Amino acid sequence: NAGVTQTPKFRILKIGQSMTLQCAQDMNHNYMYWYRQDPGMGLKLIYYSVGAGITDKGEVPNGYNVSRSTTEDFPLRLELAAPSQTSVYFCASGSSQPYEQYFGPGTRLTVT
Amino acid sequence: DQQVKQNSPSLSVQEGRISILNCDYTNSMFDYFLWYKKYPAEGPTFLISISSIKDKNEDGRFTVFLNKSAKHLSLHIVPSQPGDSAVYFCAASGGSGGSNYKLTFGKGTLLTVNP
Repeated sequence: NAGVTQTPKFRILKIGQSMTLQCAQDMNHNYMYWYRQDPGMGLKLIYYSVGAGITDKGEVPNGYNVSRSTTEDFPLRLELAAPSQTSVYFCASGSSQPYEQYFGPGTRLTVT
Repeated sequence: DQQVKQNSPSLSVQEGRISILNCDYTNSMFDYFLWYKKYPAEGPTFLISISSIKDKNEDGRFTVFLNKSAKHLSLHIVPSQPGDSAVYFCAASGGSGGSNYKLTFGKGTLLTVNP
């Protein structure tokens, strides 16, 4: 049982480039989330999904897009990368009750 | 405005002693609280949770206490072990608009347990 997997683990982007962070879960969870964590800060919610075909913005959605075509996958798209998007990105999944979320190992992204 | 606050960025304790990590919240609609542990270069892992209908929940060496009137919760680790050294995040869920499935995180407290 792999849980939540994320690829890649590390990535360096140039300003203006685009990329997709992949996230998959095998726990049949309806809820999936993308967070970013900046140094010394907590996790900030970027986007979330309550089921296949349904996504919504979190606290810091600007510069990102998501899609949820299947229950298992929840990719995060960065368009026109900016230095402010340098961060560690975590994907998580969870069920409706209880509300624990289970996190992937993270993707460390640097934009230069 | 931070709705979940962990005012101590770091805490250092001796092995075998008690570690107490604190968390305050401002949103009175929060009704479910969680603690996560995070090692470097790994994702956060769920540790323990408590519903607002309880004031204590225990799991082995970990106990979470909730004081709703003070909007305060704490995580007690007894006895502390060097492997407990990690960043601990407090999180809360609940509120209006069906947002029970969204978590609000504090900034974390780095716990160091010295042998």
